[in-house]
Amino acid sequence: GENVEQHPSTLSVQEGDSAVIKCTYSDSASNYFPWYKQELGKGPQLIIDIRSNVGEKKDQRIAVTLNKTAKHFSLHITETQPEDSAVYFCAARKETGGFKTIFGAGTRLFVKA
Amino acid sequence: DTAVSQTPKYLVTQMGNDKSIKCEQNLGHDTMYWYKQDSKKFLKIMFSYNNKELIINETVPNRFSPKSPDKAHLNLHINSLELGDSAVYFCASSGRDFNTEAFFGQGTRLTVV
Repeated sequence: GENVEQHPSTLSVQEGDSAVIKCTYSDSASNYFPWYKQELGKGPQLIIDIRSNVGEKKDQRIAVTLNKTAKHFSLHITETQPEDSAVYFCAARKETGGFKTIFGAGTRLFVKA
Repeated sequence: DTAVSQTPKYLVTQMGNDKSIKCEQNLGHDTMYWYKQDSKKFLKIMFSYNNKELIINETVPNRFSPKSPDKAHLNLHINSLELGDSAVYFCASSGRDFNTEAFFGQGTRLTVV
């Protein structure tokens, strides 16, 4: 079945360093890849997304890359700040999937001041 | 203005009881979802409705019954609650196209004792 694997499960970085989270998806028909940030006690919120006709997208300190051939996509956060500490989820969706989004297992990011 | 609101935020109940969680969105979206997040933060889709019609029904026990009285509401009714039902339940909604983000509610933490 459809599957999204996410690594690492936990990531601890020093403030100002970069953080990278990697995901792999199994269904080659997937063509929409959102990333969500979940803070304690809140619902997931979209931080960036990428569609399959694009290889890279950047929004200030956040960037996402997509390699459709390898079925990999990654989230890059530069100049991390303590408020970046949260759980991050990658996800994948396909046009014929009936709006079904498959989530990765999440990465708990700790940014130490 | 709250985009996706669900009530209650916390729900503590005894085994065997029947309970409901309500969800409303004011975004004008056509599609609404229920997700379950377990203690390890894993997010799994349960149901999806598009224009009041059920389009996704994952392998969820039939004790769980979603009800969509109109496009803006998707309620979740749970019969004969079990200890294993304890989790955080998220309602979400998304627009017409498959490649649009999902907006999540704040979650309902259900504890069955």
